[in-house]
Amino acid sequence: DSGVTQTPKHLITATGQRVTLRCSPRSGDLSVYWYQQSLDQGLQFLIQYYNGEERAKGNILERFSAQQFPDLHSELNLSSLELGDSALYFCASSATRGGYTFGSGTRLTVV
Amino acid sequence: DQQVKQNSPSLSVQEGRISILNCDYTNSMFDYFLWYKKYPAEGPTFLISISSIKDKNEDGRFTVFLNKSAKHLSLHIVPSQPGDSAVYFCAASASNTGKLIFGQGTTLQVKP
Repeated sequence: DSGVTQTPKHLITATGQRVTLRCSPRSGDLSVYWYQQSLDQGLQFLIQYYNGEERAKGNILERFSAQQFPDLHSELNLSSLELGDSALYFCASSATRGGYTFGSGTRLTVV
Repeated sequence: DQQVKQNSPSLSVQEGRISILNCDYTNSMFDYFLWYKKYPAEGPTFLISISSIKDKNEDGRFTVFLNKSAKHLSLHIVPSQPGDSAVYFCAASASNTGKLIFGQGTTLQVKP
Protein backbone atom coordinates (compact mmCIF):
# COMPACT_ATOMS: atom_id res chain seq x y z
CA ASP A 1 0.00 0.00 0.00
CA SER A 2 1.59 3.23 -1.21
CA GLY A 3 -0.61 5.44 0.94
CA VAL A 4 -2.27 7.02 -2.10
CA THR A 5 -5.79 5.67 -2.58
CA GLN A 6 -7.64 5.78 -5.86
CA THR A 7 -11.24 4.77 -6.39
CA PRO A 8 -12.74 3.10 -8.22
CA LYS A 9 -10.15 0.62 -9.50
CA HIS A 10 -12.17 -0.16 -12.60
CA LEU A 11 -14.85 1.79 -14.41
CA ILE A 12 -16.81 0.86 -17.52
CA THR A 13 -19.07 3.46 -19.01
CA ALA A 14 -20.66 4.45 -22.31
CA THR A 15 -19.67 7.19 -24.69
CA GLY A 16 -21.13 10.57 -23.84
CA GLN A 17 -21.26 9.83 -20.12
CA ARG A 18 -19.56 11.60 -17.24
CA VAL A 19 -17.44 9.98 -14.53
CA THR A 20 -15.57 11.09 -11.44
CA LEU A 21 -12.30 9.57 -10.30
CA ARG A 22 -11.23 10.07 -6.73
CA CYS A 23 -7.82 10.28 -5.12
CA SER A 24 -6.80 10.49 -1.47
CA PRO A 25 -3.18 11.58 -1.16
CA ARG A 26 -0.64 10.20 1.28
CA SER A 27 -1.02 11.71 4.74
CA GLY A 28 0.78 15.05 4.90
CA ASP A 29 1.23 15.47 1.15
CA LEU A 30 -0.15 18.76 -0.14
CA SER A 31 0.42 18.22 -3.86
CA VAL A 32 -1.73 16.00 -6.03
CA TYR A 33 -0.95 15.17 -9.65
CA TRP A 34 -3.12 13.43 -12.24
CA TYR A 35 -1.64 11.41 -15.10
CA GLN A 36 -3.17 9.51 -17.98
CA GLN A 37 -1.62 6.38 -19.45
CA SER A 38 -3.15 5.24 -22.72
CA LEU A 39 -2.24 2.01 -24.47
CA ASP A 40 1.45 1.97 -25.41
CA GLN A 41 1.86 5.51 -24.16
CA GLY A 42 3.87 6.95 -21.35
CA LEU A 43 2.40 8.81 -18.44
CA GLN A 44 0.87 12.04 -19.72
CA PHE A 45 0.67 14.83 -17.15
CA LEU A 46 -2.82 16.25 -16.83
CA ILE A 47 -2.94 18.62 -13.88
CA GLN A 48 -1.42 19.45 -10.49
CA TYR A 49 -3.00 20.85 -7.35
CA TYR A 50 -1.22 22.18 -4.32
CA ASN A 51 -3.16 22.70 -1.11
CA GLY A 52 -6.40 23.29 -2.96
CA GLU A 53 -5.02 25.53 -5.70
CA GLU A 54 -4.35 24.58 -9.30
CA ARG A 55 -0.58 24.75 -9.76
CA ALA A 56 0.14 23.42 -13.25
CA LYS A 57 -1.75 22.18 -16.26
CA GLY A 58 -0.64 19.73 -18.89
CA ASN A 59 -2.41 18.27 -21.88
CA ILE A 60 -5.77 18.17 -20.18
CA LEU A 61 -8.81 18.28 -22.43
CA GLU A 62 -11.49 20.90 -21.86
CA ARG A 63 -13.92 18.04 -21.21
CA PHE A 64 -11.82 17.13 -18.18
CA SER A 65 -11.66 19.06 -14.94
CA ALA A 66 -10.27 18.51 -11.49
CA GLN A 67 -10.32 19.98 -8.04
CA GLN A 68 -8.70 19.49 -4.68
CA PHE A 69 -10.85 19.77 -1.59
CA PRO A 70 -10.00 21.21 1.85
CA ASP A 71 -9.28 17.71 3.17
CA LEU A 72 -6.76 17.46 0.27
CA HIS A 73 -8.49 14.68 -1.58
CA SER A 74 -8.86 15.31 -5.29
CA GLU A 75 -11.37 14.43 -7.96
CA LEU A 76 -10.90 14.21 -11.70
CA ASN A 77 -14.08 14.71 -13.68
CA LEU A 78 -14.27 13.38 -17.22
CA SER A 79 -17.30 14.35 -19.29
CA SER A 80 -18.69 13.67 -22.78
CA LEU A 81 -16.56 10.57 -22.78
CA GLU A 82 -15.16 9.22 -26.03
CA LEU A 83 -13.69 5.83 -26.85
CA GLY A 84 -10.23 7.41 -26.91
CA ASP A 85 -10.54 8.38 -23.26
CA SER A 86 -10.15 4.74 -22.28
CA ALA A 87 -6.94 4.64 -20.28
CA LEU A 88 -5.36 4.18 -16.90
CA TYR A 89 -5.62 7.30 -14.78
CA PHE A 90 -3.05 7.67 -12.04
CA CYS A 91 -2.97 10.02 -9.15
CA ALA A 92 0.25 10.84 -7.33
CA SER A 93 1.00 12.93 -4.28
CA SER A 94 4.13 14.52 -2.95
CA ALA A 95 5.41 16.55 -0.07
CA THR A 96 8.71 17.44 -1.66
CA ARG A 97 9.92 17.90 -5.17
CA GLY A 98 10.31 14.64 -7.01
CA GLY A 99 9.04 12.53 -4.15
CA TYR A 100 5.99 11.29 -6.01
CA THR A 101 3.99 8.42 -4.60
CA PHE A 102 1.52 6.92 -7.04
CA GLY A 103 -1.78 5.23 -6.43
CA SER A 104 -2.61 1.99 -8.17
CA GLY A 105 -4.73 3.75 -10.77
CA THR A 106 -8.25 3.69 -12.14
CA ARG A 107 -8.77 1.76 -15.36
CA LEU A 108 -11.45 3.52 -17.39
CA THR A 109 -13.07 1.70 -20.27
CA VAL A 110 -15.42 3.64 -22.52
CA VAL A 111 -17.66 1.46 -24.66
CA ASP B 1 6.45 17.60 -28.21
CA GLN B 2 8.01 14.70 -26.34
CA GLN B 3 10.47 16.31 -23.94
CA VAL B 4 11.54 13.00 -22.43
CA LYS B 5 12.15 10.08 -24.75
CA GLN B 6 12.84 6.44 -24.17
CA ASN B 7 13.58 5.16 -27.64
CA SER B 8 13.71 1.47 -26.78
CA PRO B 9 10.23 0.10 -26.10
CA SER B 10 11.65 -3.17 -24.82
CA LEU B 11 14.83 -4.83 -23.62
CA SER B 12 15.58 -8.48 -22.88
CA VAL B 13 18.61 -9.59 -20.84
CA GLN B 14 19.82 -12.75 -19.20
CA GLU B 15 19.71 -13.09 -15.43
CA GLY B 16 22.99 -11.96 -13.87
CA ARG B 17 23.92 -9.70 -16.76
CA ILE B 18 23.74 -5.92 -16.89
CA SER B 19 20.58 -4.12 -18.01
CA ILE B 20 21.05 -0.64 -19.45
CA LEU B 21 18.00 1.53 -19.99
CA ASN B 22 18.39 4.81 -21.80
CA CYS B 23 16.58 8.12 -21.75
CA ASP B 24 17.03 11.38 -23.65
CA TYR B 25 15.58 14.78 -22.88
CA THR B 26 15.31 18.02 -24.79
CA ASN B 27 14.48 20.66 -22.19
CA SER B 28 17.66 22.23 -20.83
CA MET B 29 15.68 23.54 -17.83
CA PHE B 30 15.33 20.02 -16.44
CA ASP B 31 17.54 19.65 -13.39
CA TYR B 32 16.15 16.63 -11.57
CA PHE B 33 15.75 13.17 -13.03
CA LEU B 34 14.11 10.03 -11.73
CA TRP B 35 13.47 6.44 -12.67
CA TYR B 36 10.26 4.68 -11.80
CA LYS B 37 9.42 1.01 -12.07
CA LYS B 38 5.94 -0.27 -12.84
CA TYR B 39 4.46 -3.71 -12.52
CA PRO B 40 1.15 -4.59 -14.22
CA ALA B 41 -1.95 -3.47 -12.31
CA GLU B 42 0.15 -1.30 -9.99
CA GLY B 43 1.14 2.34 -9.94
CA PRO B 44 4.73 3.36 -10.71
CA THR B 45 7.12 3.17 -7.78
CA PHE B 46 10.16 5.36 -7.29
CA LEU B 47 13.48 3.68 -7.95
CA ILE B 48 16.33 6.19 -8.01
CA SER B 49 16.95 9.84 -8.78
CA ILE B 50 19.76 12.20 -9.70
CA SER B 51 20.22 15.93 -9.50
CA SER B 52 21.87 17.81 -12.34
CA ILE B 53 24.78 18.73 -10.09
CA LYS B 54 25.83 15.08 -10.13
CA ASP B 55 26.73 12.73 -12.94
CA LYS B 56 26.22 9.47 -11.08
CA ASN B 57 24.08 8.12 -8.29
CA GLU B 58 24.20 4.58 -7.00
CA ASP B 59 21.79 2.60 -4.85
CA GLY B 60 22.57 -1.07 -4.50
CA ARG B 61 22.23 -2.78 -7.85
CA PHE B 62 20.90 0.40 -9.47
CA THR B 63 23.05 3.22 -10.84
CA VAL B 64 21.87 6.24 -12.76
CA PHE B 65 24.28 8.16 -14.98
CA LEU B 66 23.62 11.67 -16.24
CA ASN B 67 25.37 13.26 -19.23
CA LYS B 68 24.15 16.84 -19.27
CA SER B 69 25.97 17.86 -22.42
CA ALA B 70 24.29 15.04 -24.32
CA LYS B 71 21.00 15.47 -22.45
CA HIS B 72 21.08 11.76 -21.78
CA LEU B 73 20.64 9.56 -18.76
CA SER B 74 20.83 5.86 -18.27
CA LEU B 75 19.88 3.33 -15.64
CA HIS B 76 22.19 0.38 -15.05
CA ILE B 77 20.98 -2.69 -13.19
CA VAL B 78 23.71 -5.09 -12.14
CA PRO B 79 23.20 -7.97 -11.75
CA SER B 80 19.77 -8.21 -13.33
CA GLN B 81 17.25 -10.47 -11.64
CA PRO B 82 13.97 -11.95 -12.94
CA GLY B 83 12.09 -9.82 -10.41
CA ASP B 84 13.41 -6.73 -12.18
CA SER B 85 11.12 -7.53 -15.13
CA ALA B 86 8.82 -4.52 -15.34
CA VAL B 87 8.24 -1.29 -17.24
CA TYR B 88 10.79 1.39 -16.42
CA PHE B 89 9.90 5.06 -16.81
CA CYS B 90 12.36 7.90 -16.94
CA ALA B 91 11.09 11.26 -15.65
CA ALA B 92 12.41 14.80 -15.42
CA SER B 93 11.47 18.04 -13.77
CA ALA B 94 12.58 21.67 -13.73
CA SER B 95 13.11 23.58 -10.50
CA ASN B 96 10.47 26.16 -11.38
CA THR B 97 7.74 23.53 -11.49
CA GLY B 98 7.02 20.46 -9.45
CA LYS B 99 5.55 18.40 -12.26
CA LEU B 100 7.33 15.38 -13.63
CA ILE B 101 7.48 14.74 -17.36
CA PHE B 102 7.67 11.05 -18.15
CA GLY B 103 9.07 9.08 -21.05
CA GLN B 104 7.10 6.37 -22.81
CA GLY B 105 8.64 3.57 -20.79
CA THR B 106 10.87 0.59 -21.57
CA THR B 107 9.69 -2.94 -20.84
CA LEU B 108 12.53 -4.94 -19.33
CA GLN B 109 12.43 -8.72 -19.39
CA VAL B 110 15.06 -10.58 -17.41
CA LYS B 111 15.25 -14.22 -18.42
CA PRO B 112 16.27 -16.88 -15.90
